[in-house]
Amino acid sequence: QVQLVQSGAEVKKPGASVKVSCKASGYTFTTYGISWVRQAPGQGLEWMGWISAYNGDTNYAQRFQDRVTLTTDTSTTTAYMELRSLRSDDTAVYYCARDKSNCFDPWGQGTLVTVSS
Amino acid sequence: DIVMTQSPDSLAVSLGERATINCKSSQSVLHSSNNKNYLAWYQQKPGQPPKLLISWASTRESGVPDRFSGSGSGTDFTLTISSLQAEDVAVYYCHQYYSTPLTFGGGTKVEIK
Repeated sequence: QVQLVQSGAEVKKPGASVKVSCKASGYTFTTYGISWVRQAPGQGLEWMGWISAYNGDTNYAQRFQDRVTLTTDTSTTTAYMELRSLRSDDTAVYYCARDKSNCFDPWGQGTLVTVSS
Repeated sequence: DIVMTQSPDSLAVSLGERATINCKSSQSVLHSSNNKNYLAWYQQKPGQPPKLLISWASTRESGVPDRFSGSGSGTDFTLTISSLQAEDVAVYYCHQYYSTPLTFGGGTKVEIK
């Protein structure tokens, strides 16, 4: 079955960077893109950006443009999201999701990133 | 950016009764080239990631019970649960994928009365 498995929870200090991985299985990785969405505690969903697993093209939400980098490794069918210059309000669960024409199905289980001094 | 506004923020419905959730977009998400509405609905249960229920405003995903239905066009959309079951307790989000940045509604929490 189609599955996305993300890396484990992270605790980071303000100003640091975090890199979350998302291992895909059960489908041809390069056929779909991967989007990243985050959810702050008790809050709604916020799209961060998209990457084509076919050619690496990216589309970032403007508010993250300067701080986020999305990459993929087709040899391991893994997508990565790196967020730099972390602030306390970046504390959230970060999700990867297979992008089917910009609908998200399925989603990874989520990775909690806590930013605290 | 397209702003998605859901109503109500929460609702409590008796088991077996109908639940209706509304979603309004700040601009049309109907694409004239293919006459499709770029609107999806997700269900998120506590401690779980969201699950895609409906795409293209009204197309139910495989395996989604037929008590879930989506309707609407342009800027006004509705998710209906025709007969609420205990397992439907969740937060429901609408999502526009007409243009980037992709955006979501604020969510509607559905509970049992």
